[in-house]
Amino acid sequence: TQLLEQSPQFLSIQEGENLTVYCNSSSVFSSLQWYRQEPGEGPVLLVTVVTGGEVKKLKRLTFQFGDARKDSSLHITAAQPGDTGLYLCAGPSQGGSEKLVFGKGTKLTVNP
Amino acid sequence: NAGVMQNPRHLVRRRGQEARLRCSPMKGHSHVYWYRQLPEEGLKFMVYLQKENIIDESGMPKERFSAEFPKEGPSILRIQQVVRGDSAAYFCASSRSGGWGTTNEKLFFGSGTQLSVL
Repeated sequence: TQLLEQSPQFLSIQEGENLTVYCNSSSVFSSLQWYRQEPGEGPVLLVTVVTGGEVKKLKRLTFQFGDARKDSSLHITAAQPGDTGLYLCAGPSQGGSEKLVFGKGTKLTVNP
Repeated sequence: NAGVMQNPRHLVRRRGQEARLRCSPMKGHSHVYWYRQLPEEGLKFMVYLQKENIIDESGMPKERFSAEFPKEGPSILRIQQVVRGDSAAYFCASSRSGGWGTTNEKLFFGSGTQLSVL
């Protein structure tokens, strides 16, 4: 069974600080996606990384896919209260299935 | 362009009752997925449907749960004889097509239905 382990589980920081959250697996993924979920809402897709070693930037967010395609990281620069939320990574299940496997997420709180 | 619409947002049922959760995908989307999220747990895949077809139901319990996506109308997730363990947030997602290995395909989630079983 493919598993995606996310760390840390909880992270509370002050506005303006930088942070990195991680998504790790013992399995190779053809791609990984990052989502942000706010309380009472569904996840919203932030980015998809496909190529090993790939780096994608979305304003203050930087996403990296590991060379071996087993891990990914999300770095946020100068965090703002609006970045508060649950960050989830997800990848396609093996065998060509259409289903996504999700990690349990990192719950980020950015205090003003 | 409306997003994925789920209703009701909140549903309260007593043990033994039936729960019906509805999902209207985004316009132009023919692929629908249902996921369940328990507190402190990740999203768990339940079922994947295309119009009038169940493609993958490997994540759905064999008993009491069923799903459909008719030619006309929303997708329905039906839970019969609910038990307390069914209490969770149920999310529907849609996409234009499958193919997670590309950067072009996107999955859009609805706001979910929070099911509470008393």
